[in-house]
Amino acid sequence: DAGITQSPRHKVTETGTPVTLRCHQTENHRYMYWYRQDPGHGLRLIHYSYGVKDTDKGEVSDGYSVSRSKTEDFLLTLESATSSQTSVYFCAISVDSSTYEQYFGPGTRLTVT
Amino acid sequence: GESVGLHLPTLSVQEGDNSIINCAYSNSASDYFIWYKQESGKGPQFIIDIRSNMDKRQGQRVTVLLNKTVKHLSLQIAATQPGDSAVYFCAENSPVMYSGGGADGLTFGKGTHLIIQP
Repeated sequence: DAGITQSPRHKVTETGTPVTLRCHQTENHRYMYWYRQDPGHGLRLIHYSYGVKDTDKGEVSDGYSVSRSKTEDFLLTLESATSSQTSVYFCAISVDSSTYEQYFGPGTRLTVT
Repeated sequence: GESVGLHLPTLSVQEGDNSIINCAYSNSASDYFIWYKQESGKGPQFIIDIRSNMDKRQGQRVTVLLNKTVKHLSLQIAATQPGDSAVYFCAENSPVMYSGGGADGLTFGKGTHLIIQP
């Protein structure tokens, strides 16, 4: 599993509340990613990071922000959760930028009511 | 927009038969492709990858074929077993979509659910 953990694994929250999801890795990989997975859409990239304090937007970044203050942690924040952000969120790491090979965490199921 | 897609949402095969899962892509700039397997309740798991300078690559019981002429990718699973039951995704790198100087993000297809019949 490439030493990736995500927390929480499940969360139910109300519309308008802030939510932060955490991805933690134990192997000091440089590249980390946040994806969301929805029926009919597959996985879509939200944000990614290529180093401490270095992040960039992905395909579906609106409504999300990220932070990476330490190599091992990549945080995804929904500043004001909406029902459209109900999804399963996956964190991934890349072990080698030349191959683009990514390994995924177990996921966080988020429900916004 | 350019995206990776799949031909069939569900594929049902008999245990012991070979499975072929197909994927079409449209981004001619993509030069790296990956197949992932996702079991229920788990994150995607890397299966095999292939670069655009190759036509075929083999792993343990799996083979990936790449036809750049028609932009088609396939995953062949030999002697399908019950443990192969999962959703399979193809993914491509996205060198023209993401900036930032690091490893590019991946663009995923919508997935094919492989069902194994006893």
